[in-house]
Amino acid sequence: SQQGEEDPQALSIQEGENATMNCSYKTSINNLQWYRQNSGRGLVHLILIRSNEREKHSGRLRVTLDTSKKSSSLLITASRAADTASYFCATDSYGGSQGNLIFGKGTKLSVKP
Amino acid sequence: GAVVSQHPSRVICKSGTSVKIECRSLDFQATTMFWYRQFPKQSLMLMATSNEGSKATYEQGVEKDKFLINHASLTLSTLTVTSAHPEDSSFYICSARLWELGPEQFFGPGTRLTVL
Repeated sequence: SQQGEEDPQALSIQEGENATMNCSYKTSINNLQWYRQNSGRGLVHLILIRSNEREKHSGRLRVTLDTSKKSSSLLITASRAADTASYFCATDSYGGSQGNLIFGKGTKLSVKP
Repeated sequence: GAVVSQHPSRVICKSGTSVKIECRSLDFQATTMFWYRQFPKQSLMLMATSNEGSKATYEQGVEKDKFLINHASLTLSTLTVTSAHPEDSSFYICSARLWELGPEQFFGPGTRLTVL
């Protein structure tokens, strides 16, 4: 069953603008991860935030986590055309067998040059 | 970084035939491997989790007799779609995890299966 729900489902912005994607989940988590997928390809891990963390940065990426609201956001600053891809949040829940992830539906980001 | 490969990248087969997809961790020994299925414009659905030398754990609704998983070594897992039908057409993605590296999963590039 799917855990995360991202919004928006699709986002179109101009190069240089910031892109914000949100993710909500239902159960308690150990950590939440964001992945990127280019069309027809596998996923690439972007960033992980643990349940006891509230914010994390990695380059142009900024992730926040609000466990009270069971939500997370991914901010990509100064977007580039190469950032065009689908972005998924995935939750690693307490008690999940062997660390399996539950993926959200994803946000399709289009960055126009 | 950790690299995971999948083979083949694309396969087209006739209905009723079986198809084997390989997933290899190239530069690390994976503690656990995962198999996902992704329909067009949808998210990844976990099919099963496998550890080397033990039986795979299938998610609810996934037929273990139809989707055979063999995890013969720490670097290789195979998914065999038996007696494939057009509704099995999908994008199959594997991932691997090494506990010492943390909770991150390393994904293969995926296999596009088309059943005619």
